Amino acid sequence: DQQVKQNSPSLSVQEGRISILNCDYTNSMFDYFLWYKKYPAEGPTFLISISSIKDKNEDGRFTVFLNKSAKHLSLHIVPSQPGDSAVYFCAVMEYGNKLVFGAGTILRVKS
Amino acid sequence: DTAVSQTPKYLVTQMGNDKSIKCEQNLGHDTMYWYKQDSKKFLKIMFSYNNKELIINETVPNRFSPKSPDKAHLNLHINSLELGDSAVYFCASSQGTSANEQFFGPGTRLTVL
Repeated sequence: DQQVKQNSPSLSVQEGRISILNCDYTNSMFDYFLWYKKYPAEGPTFLISISSIKDKNEDGRFTVFLNKSAKHLSLHIVPSQPGDSAVYFCAVMEYGNKLVFGAGTILRVKS
Repeated sequence: DTAVSQTPKYLVTQMGNDKSIKCEQNLGHDTMYWYKQDSKKFLKIMFSYNNKELIINETVPNRFSPKSPDKAHLNLHINSLELGDSAVYFCASSQGTSANEQFFGPGTRLTVL
């Protein structure tokens, strides 16, 4: 049973527009959430994170929003650039620094 | 300078063979991990070592044996390879076991024929 769900396998966005990637989780005890980005033939790289004591965290073009009551988080990329085209993984932190990942969403930014 | 490196990048082998994948990190981290990305693209943790001690061991067959000779290295040895072991294996490292960013290696694509 998946604890972290990314229900959109792919997303296509025009360059300069906003990309919104969504993630749902099942356990309300999770308190640390991360987004990773992955290019083909490379390992995932950390993008941004948020603790459950916040509802928003911003880093440049990337903002993560957390809605604890809905057990939902989203990643906003504004403006989207062609170099943002990658697979985006949502993850939650369990005990002992164990990351539990979603299935990923493929983002394509068209120029 | 590569932060987390894995060798080999590709590994093709026959069923029943024994193989190893090596991982090294030069970040000075004290915690290292092995993840498996299966054909459905899910990334799942297999093992975690902190200061050379095993702290996470998911329900992985005992044909898989991690070995950490020192804090900078975590190798994965697989005995009696099976078709279902075909996957991409990622090594990662972090500082400590609290909520910290993990740095991933480039992955090793294992194909069992």
